[in-house]
Amino acid sequence: EVQLLESGGGFVQPGGSLRVSCAASGFTFSDYGMGWVRQAPGKGLEWVSTISYSGTSTYYADSVKGRFTISRDNSKNMLFLQMNRLRAEDTAAYYCAKSRGGDFDHWGQGTLVTVSP
Amino acid sequence: ETVLTQSPATLSLAPGERATLSCRASQSVDSYLTWYQQKPGQAPRLLIYDASNRATGIPARFSGSGSGTDFTLTISSLEPEDFAVYYCQQRTDWPRTFGQGTKLEI
Repeated sequence: EVQLLESGGGFVQPGGSLRVSCAASGFTFSDYGMGWVRQAPGKGLEWVSTISYSGTSTYYADSVKGRFTISRDNSKNMLFLQMNRLRAEDTAAYYCAKSRGGDFDHWGQGTLVTVSP
Repeated sequence: ETVLTQSPATLSLAPGERATLSCRASQSVDSYLTWYQQKPGQAPRLLIYDASNRATGIPARFSGSGSGTDFTLTISSLEPEDFAVYYCQQRTDWPRTFGQGTKLEI
């Protein structure tokens, strides 16, 4: 059974940094691209970033480009999102998701990031 | 950027009725259109991929159709557990984009 477990969310001040993590199990992690999708409170889904199976290719939404960095550790089945220069509009639940070739077939339960003074 | 527009924003129906949800793309996405279901407090769940293929474990009452710019998600006979928010997503180009969602309510 595929399981994705996010961690690392919390409160941070504007301009601050946070790293969220995702522990994957139940599939061969190094065979699949992975992504982050976020959802602001009461709002819809927004794709944030995707990383290829090997980690050599990364893609970002314009809203986070230059501030967020996606990475992975295939030896530990872990996915990461380093978030710098956080803004109030980055407040959201961040979901880790397994890519099925551009869309997402399994999702974690999400970790909440709140950016507030 | 490919913009996905879902309609209606809210759809009010009763159990047993047929639901028809629309997703229109601002440019062709071929058949690379995905549908998700999200219930309150839960993560999204993959329903339909590549416009018309049901994901594993999805009941046959869910079906998808369309290609190019116009897509439809149909629920043939609504069950109580189907009342949720539905999102479409394209995987043709970057950035990946989602529609704004359709809330299916009783």
